[in-house]
Formats: sequence, structure tokens, C-alpha cells
Amino acid sequence: ETGVTQTPRHLVMGMTNKKSLKCEQHLGHNAMYWYKQSAKKPLELMFVYNFKEQTENNSVPSRFSPECPNSSHLFLHLHTLQPEDSALYLCASSQEVGRGAVDTQYFGPGTRLTVL
Amino acid sequence: KQEVTQIPAALSVPEGENLVLNCSFTDSAIYNLQWFRQDPGKGLTSLLLIQSSQREQTSGRLNASLDKSSGRSTLYIAASQPGDSATYLCAVRNTMEYGNKLVFGAGTILRVKS
Repeated sequence: ETGVTQTPRHLVMGMTNKKSLKCEQHLGHNAMYWYKQSAKKPLELMFVYNFKEQTENNSVPSRFSPECPNSSHLFLHLHTLQPEDSALYLCASSQEVGRGAVDTQYFGPGTRLTVL
Repeated sequence: KQEVTQIPAALSVPEGENLVLNCSFTDSAIYNLQWFRQDPGKGLTSLLLIQSSQREQTSGRLNASLDKSSGRSTLYIAASQPGDSATYLCAVRNTMEYGNKLVFGAGTILRVKS
């Protein structure tokens, strides 16, 4: 276990549903990330939060809405998704101490999302 | 824009073989490079992290090298075992980017046959 948990592990939803993915880290980190991993494509960074503030939105469609209520929790709210949004969604956390810091990201197991 | 390429896309070897996985990146202005392992249905586990000033890092049977000027890294696995079967991902962090933003390659799927 890496200290980063994600729920649910599997999710099937229709295009008109609204659902949320949850991530929790127990490492005392101050930065959290959402990644999307589609079949046969590299891992894509979606959002970055530092100290609960969003510092990166990698041109993600508005049907994906992140929320970071505190440094330990990160949510990804989903609505009106498309079948091509089916993927593995990974959460990660790290300790950011500013530019140039040496650190690594710790990943959760991911949520396998299928959009029908 | 940084792009990371991994070759081969898939590799199948008999147990006990030494093997090399390759990673190349287009922008040599990197801060560090990491190799991750991903098992089916699981997240990523960091294997080795090489700073831009370093040439290599070793952990057990794993050795990663970095040639920043040519934009290449290799992951060497000695005496491979079936338990090494997984997807291996290479990721770089660019120097001028604030924060820990990683750019990943598509990965190499490794199967070690017993």
C-alpha cells in the first residue's frame, strides 16, 4: 500500500449520470494530482492542487470538476461524460516544498471508469 | 512540448535473462527522470529517480542510466524473474515547470516467462 486510497475501484455510469471519484492520502503531503490513463496512451496529467489551491488544469473539459477541500482529500466530480472518457483515473500525492524540491509522487490504485 | 517515447512497447523474455528498456525524451531541459512500475489493476510504484546531474541509479537488480544531452534513459533489469512482469513507465519532470508535473511515456509491457 502506498498510503493513497481511491474509491470506488470500479465505476460504470451512463452519459447522463453524475458521480464522484474520491482520493485520500495518509502521507501528510500538500500536493495532490488527478491523472487519466486511457488504453494504449501515456498517462495524462489532469489537475494539480498545492495546499488546496488548483495550480494546474491541463485543458480538461468542464464535465470533469475537481474539488480539494483539504490537503488530504481530492474529489473528481463527473457529469455528462462521453464513452471516450472511459479510462483508469489515478490520484497521486507528493510533498511540495517549492521549485527545485526533490520528491516523488505516490499513486493510488486508480478507479476504472466505464461510460456507457 | 516535452514528449517521452518508450521502446519496445512490449517485451517477452524467459526467466533469468538480463534485459534493457529504453526511454527517450525530446527536451533535454529536465529536472529529473523516474522509472515506475504498474501492475494490472494497481497504481504506479516508483522504482528509481535520477536527478539531471546524475548518470545512474541502482536498486537491487535494477539499474537506470541517464544521458541528458542525448535525451535517453535505460532501465536495466538483471536476472529477470516472473515477478518482474508488469508495465514499466518512464516519466520526466521539466526544469522550467513549477511543481511536480511529470510527462509520461506510454510504457513497456514486460512478461517474464517461467
